[in-house]
Amino acid sequence: DAKTTQPNSMESNEEEPVHLPCNHSTISGTDYIHWYRQLPSQGPEYVIHGLTSNVNNRMASLAIAEDRKSSTLILHRATLRDAAVYYCILRVVQAGTALIFGKGTTLSVSS
Amino acid sequence: EAGVTQFPSHSVIEKGQTVTLRCDPISGHDNLYWYRRVMGKEIKFLLHFVKESKQDESGMPNNRFLAERTGGTYSTLKVQPAELEDSGVYFCASSQEVAGPRIEQFFGPGTRLTVL
Repeated sequence: DAKTTQPNSMESNEEEPVHLPCNHSTISGTDYIHWYRQLPSQGPEYVIHGLTSNVNNRMASLAIAEDRKSSTLILHRATLRDAAVYYCILRVVQAGTALIFGKGTTLSVSS
Repeated sequence: EAGVTQFPSHSVIEKGQTVTLRCDPISGHDNLYWYRRVMGKEIKFLLHFVKESKQDESGMPNNRFLAERTGGTYSTLKVQPAELEDSGVYFCASSQEVAGPRIEQFFGPGTRLTVL
């Protein structure tokens, strides 16, 4: 699986939008972009995934660059509960099964 | 629907002892994964079961680790004998599919293992 690069940390205020970037310049055509997050003292939790088109679900939105070399996870209105480590992971869904976690981005949310 | 459960939540053992961790996946999930995070490091994949068969055990660190999934339901991960560097948090995850629309992995809360 290709490597991703994320900022170590980001800060946000409650109720504001948060844009978490991820660079994956060596992404291949069969790599899906997955996002997981880990809340304090819990296991990782799936957030969203996509291939080429932007994706929305109840938790977040995923914006994928046209060249697929970068993506952005968007939390539309941050809450205190969104404070977590966010992981951007590339995964060849058809062949690979393991998730390869990097260091992720630690998001802090202030009230 | 119950999520992935792991037992125990914490375990403190002496070096050289044996510990067995248990994971109960979500009912109906054929795929079961073990991961761990040792101190200061990233979460690392250990192995993957499809039903009772080991699909990929490339992440198992050495032969002191033995994973089983008899009957394709719950799984155990035994460490024998435990060493200091085995301390960390062990996560279990399950998924309904490997490829397709239901590939997300659901993680348990983890077992924190401390080897003294």
